[in-house]
Amino acid sequence: AQSVTQPDIHITVSEGASLELRCNYSYGATPYLFWYVQSPGQGLQLLLKYFSGDTLVQGIKGFEAEFKRSQSSFNLRKPSVHWSDAAEYFCAVFSTGNQFYFGTGTSLTVIP
Amino acid sequence: DAGVTQSPTHLIKTRGQQVTLRCSPKSGHDTVSWYQQALGQGPQFIFQYYEEEERQRGNFPDRFSGHQFPNYSSELNVNALLLGDSALYLCASSLAGEQETQYFGPGTRLLVL
Repeated sequence: AQSVTQPDIHITVSEGASLELRCNYSYGATPYLFWYVQSPGQGLQLLLKYFSGDTLVQGIKGFEAEFKRSQSSFNLRKPSVHWSDAAEYFCAVFSTGNQFYFGTGTSLTVIP
Repeated sequence: DAGVTQSPTHLIKTRGQQVTLRCSPKSGHDTVSWYQQALGQGPQFIFQYYEEEERQRGNFPDRFSGHQFPNYSSELNVNALLLGDSALYLCASSLAGEQETQYFGPGTRLLVL
């Protein structure tokens, strides 16, 4: 069965510091992987996605993610965090059953 | 070009009541999916509509039903509301051949008392 695990419920980083949010997935085939961001009271905004090809994908707002098949991971990174990056981040896998499976999310706090 | 819109933004109901939530897809999109996001959780897939029919369904009881209209807009209906139905309900739209690319609306926050 498909599943997505985000081990970190909450992360706090200082503004300007680097960020890495972890995501592990369980899926039988080559997955379609996504990272979404959700600000308070808002819907989900797509940051980036991986379907195939280059395992390092670039997204919006300076985010990138690396697909590692051997580790079943798709971690999200940003070299320098801005205060406006504070939000909830969700990793998701899209299955052949045409469904999204989301992780439980990682809440990011950015301190000055 | 308007994105996905949902109404109402907030709703308060009592147990046992019925509720209808509405969604207008992004212009040009023909497929609508609904998700339930409980507090502190990720979204969970409820069902998907295409060509006015339910095409896919997640693990939700029959109390959850939907409809898609000829203009591709959609409704989510929940009967016999339970306290546990309190959540943010998200609608997402896509093209039938590109279901992995979904655009999400801002959601409707439902509180059941």
